[in-house]
Amino acid sequence: DADVTQTPRNRITKTGKRIMLECSQTKGHDRMYWYRQDPGLGLRLIYYSFDVKDINKGEISDGYSVSRQAQAKFSLSLESAIPNQTALYFCATSDLGGRYSDTQYFGPGTRLTVL
Amino acid sequence: QKEVEQNSGPLSVPEGAIASLNCTYSDRGSQSFFWYRQYSGKSPELIMSIYSNGDKEDGRFTAQLNKASQYVSLLIRDSQPSDSATYLCAKNTGNQFYFGTGTSLTVIP
Repeated sequence: DADVTQTPRNRITKTGKRIMLECSQTKGHDRMYWYRQDPGLGLRLIYYSFDVKDINKGEISDGYSVSRQAQAKFSLSLESAIPNQTALYFCATSDLGGRYSDTQYFGPGTRLTVL
Repeated sequence: QKEVEQNSGPLSVPEGAIASLNCTYSDRGSQSFFWYRQYSGKSPELIMSIYSNGDKEDGRFTAQLNKASQYVSLLIRDSQPSDSATYLCAKNTGNQFYFGTGTSLTVIP
């Protein structure tokens, strides 16, 4: 089984709808991240969390919110989706401490289309 | 100025040749640098990490870091068609990761 899973894998929605993307991990990592990827713009950090009580904004947090329900679960919400939020979304995890503590492990991605 | 800059390519090399991928970054305080490979439609996967000036070799891959010049490179020796992918350069500054836009590499059989 995959260490980092994302649901759904594909989603088409309409402008104004509320959308939640979910991420779960079995790696036992403390740190979790949400990125979006757009052609020509690369991967950009939306939010990150270092533990259940720690949530931080990334480079492009406007229009998004997150919830860290447990060490293993980190959800991304679009409260009112707009077309320019159409992108490929990745969840990632990394470990706290240790030699490889800042290596990121990515989920398979969620392709979101907002019409 | 972008945190991490890469030439988007595309870069084409014949099978068996050396592919050279380059990356520059802002912020001299950055400590950790990474190269990820991403196949079309797939998630990024880590190839190499490098933290100190100089070269780091892992199989056919060599990462080079020059902090004075704020420059990171990746050399792929004996390139194979399976190396055809987009290569992302990334850095960790403080608690945030910054990625370049990626360089598309095609290895021609």
